[in-house]
Amino acid sequence: KQEVTQIPAALSVPEGENLVLNCSFTDSAIYNLQWFRQDPGKGLTSLLLIQSSQREQTSGRLNASLDKSSGRSTLYIAASQPGDSATYLCAGYNFNKFYFGSGTKLNVKP
Amino acid sequence: DAMVIQNPRYQVTQFGKPVTLSCSQTLNHNVMYWYQQKSSQAPKLLFHYYDKDFNNEADTPDNFQSRRPNTSFCFLDIRSPGLGDAAMYLCATSRVGILNTEAFFGQGTRLTVV
Repeated sequence: KQEVTQIPAALSVPEGENLVLNCSFTDSAIYNLQWFRQDPGKGLTSLLLIQSSQREQTSGRLNASLDKSSGRSTLYIAASQPGDSATYLCAGYNFNKFYFGSGTKLNVKP
Repeated sequence: DAMVIQNPRYQVTQFGKPVTLSCSQTLNHNVMYWYQQKSSQAPKLLFHYYDKDFNNEADTPDNFQSRRPNTSFCFLDIRSPGLGDAAMYLCATSRVGILNTEAFFGQGTRLTVV
């Protein structure tokens, strides 16, 4: 069964700092990798989707990479802002299912 | 806008009293999922429907059931809620069978058991 781990579990940084969130999975047979944002008490908002044939995706200040051979994905956030404070989850997709990590809770201090 | 809608956003139920959570979608996706998420934990897949085919996870308690009467709607039934069932319940959809399969989530239903 696919296991997804996210490190660190929590992160607090000053505004303006660049940061990297990590996601690792045990089964490299994932097809796609998706990053989500979750605000307290809310559902999941999709940030980036990396398809199996791709190695990275960019959206604004966000860049996500995928290395299937090592079972790792990273989410890079440039010039962090207080509005980026949320929990970030990654999910690997295969066999019609999405497998989630428990997330990294990010706090960006003004 | 096409979306996934969950109702209600907040549900309070009594211990042992059956409760139903609702999910609808306008995306016309062929797969609908129900996840349970407890505080600071990963969303846990309970089951999913691929079209009309129901797929239960091995560790989903029998207390949890689901119905998908048509493409647009999916329901989660908890037959006898216990205190341990208090959680956020997330509905998601995806179009499986294409290269860029991705999940779309609703806003969730926060279930409280008293």
